[in-house]
Amino acid sequence: DAGVIQSPRHEVTEMGQEVTLRCKPISGHDYLFWYRQTMMRGLELLIYFNNNVPIDDSGMPEDRFSAKMPNASFSTLKIQPSEPRDSAVYFCASSFSLASTDTQYFGPGTRLTVL
Amino acid sequence: GQQLNQSPQSMFIQEGEDVSMNCTSSSIFNTWLWYKQEPGEGPVLLIALYKAGELTSNGRLTAQFGITRKDSFLNISASIPSDVGIYFCAGRSSPSGTYKYIFGTGTRLKVLA
Repeated sequence: DAGVIQSPRHEVTEMGQEVTLRCKPISGHDYLFWYRQTMMRGLELLIYFNNNVPIDDSGMPEDRFSAKMPNASFSTLKIQPSEPRDSAVYFCASSFSLASTDTQYFGPGTRLTVL
Repeated sequence: GQQLNQSPQSMFIQEGEDVSMNCTSSSIFNTWLWYKQEPGEGPVLLIALYKAGELTSNGRLTAQFGITRKDSFLNISASIPSDVGIYFCAGRSSPSGTYKYIFGTGTRLKVLA
């Protein structure tokens, strides 16, 4: 099992540019999560999907952020336009179900730096 | 966003010592998870707890689900240098239309050889 795959691992861009982060969840997992991690705010849930449908996007900071999941094996998180305060590590995670006995597994993260 | 309180925030210990850390919440949870994160990597699940009072071990790690359901504890026995990292707790209440784990602030562990 390859685990959750994220790309790119590192992204450096200039303020105002569009940034797209990509995630491939573990095969068979119905839930996909996007998190952001910063020193100041820790690990925050941005949005999660169930069977490719966005369920809760209340953590998305503002309209500059958008996430899609066109199929069960792929999701994107897009920031347009990017700002320096968006610099953080963005994690994707997936889980099999909502059952209490289930847990979520994280990808290696994308470290985003916006200059 | 909402966070759990973890303590201590950081620990410097000697190799071979035991480590204890805890996580507290103002809300009742029905699932507690403990993760370890190493530099440049994503959090890796260590232990999952599903019942109040439950005590679960994973090698030298032992975690407990607090009786009040508002706290959890993680112990590491006989620490070794590779235990270095940041340990996060995460808690979740009963699903009611949403599915969110709330993450703790992390305990940064450094082991001195």
